[in-house]
Amino acid sequence: DAGVTQSPTHLIKTRGQQVTLRCSPKSGHDTVSWYQQALGQGPQFIFQYYEEEERQRGNFPDRFSGHQFPNYSSELNVNALLLGDSALYLCASSESGDSLGYTFGSGTRLTVV
Amino acid sequence: QQPVQSPQAVILREGEDAVINCSSSKALYSVHWYRQKHGEAPVFLMILLKGGEQKGHDKISASFNEKKQQSSLYLTASQLSYSGTYFCGTHEYNNNDMRFGAGTRLTVKP
Repeated sequence: DAGVTQSPTHLIKTRGQQVTLRCSPKSGHDTVSWYQQALGQGPQFIFQYYEEEERQRGNFPDRFSGHQFPNYSSELNVNALLLGDSALYLCASSESGDSLGYTFGSGTRLTVV
Repeated sequence: QQPVQSPQAVILREGEDAVINCSSSKALYSVHWYRQKHGEAPVFLMILLKGGEQKGHDKISASFNEKKQQSSLYLTASQLSYSGTYFCGTHEYNNNDMRFGAGTRLTVKP
């Protein structure tokens, strides 16, 4: 049973560019949450998608946007990249109701130069 | 509201015990514990849902005091494989998202 799949694994972008990260949730999971993890820090909540809608949003600017598709997969888009956006971006999936915990993907390492 | 974890780092010898604490200023619905090894994704350890609940998983257990909004993770007779960074994740009432603490780096030496 495949867990959470994220692509790409690594990405290098130039300041000002735009990037799209992708996530396929674990089979049976319908909720996707995105997190940004800077080196040596805990994951910071970006937003959560459920039923193709953004259900909750953390303290991130509008440059960060997302989408969830009918098959529950999700995308994270970041516009006008800044050097400070360099981080590991983690996708976590769960069942609505959350009684069984989150399953994380291995992440996408984004470097902005 | 991000939970607060303590200590920031712990170094143990194999067989020693450790306690990691997690606290929040908000009323919590649940507390999750995860372990992340270097370069890998966080791995779910356990979830605690009720006040005063305790759970165990091999030699790793946890408690959750709902009244104090505090949780503790207990690692007994530590093994080399326990090394990694431990994160608590908290769910507040009427909030769908989970917030993580800054993590506790645990190093177990032979």
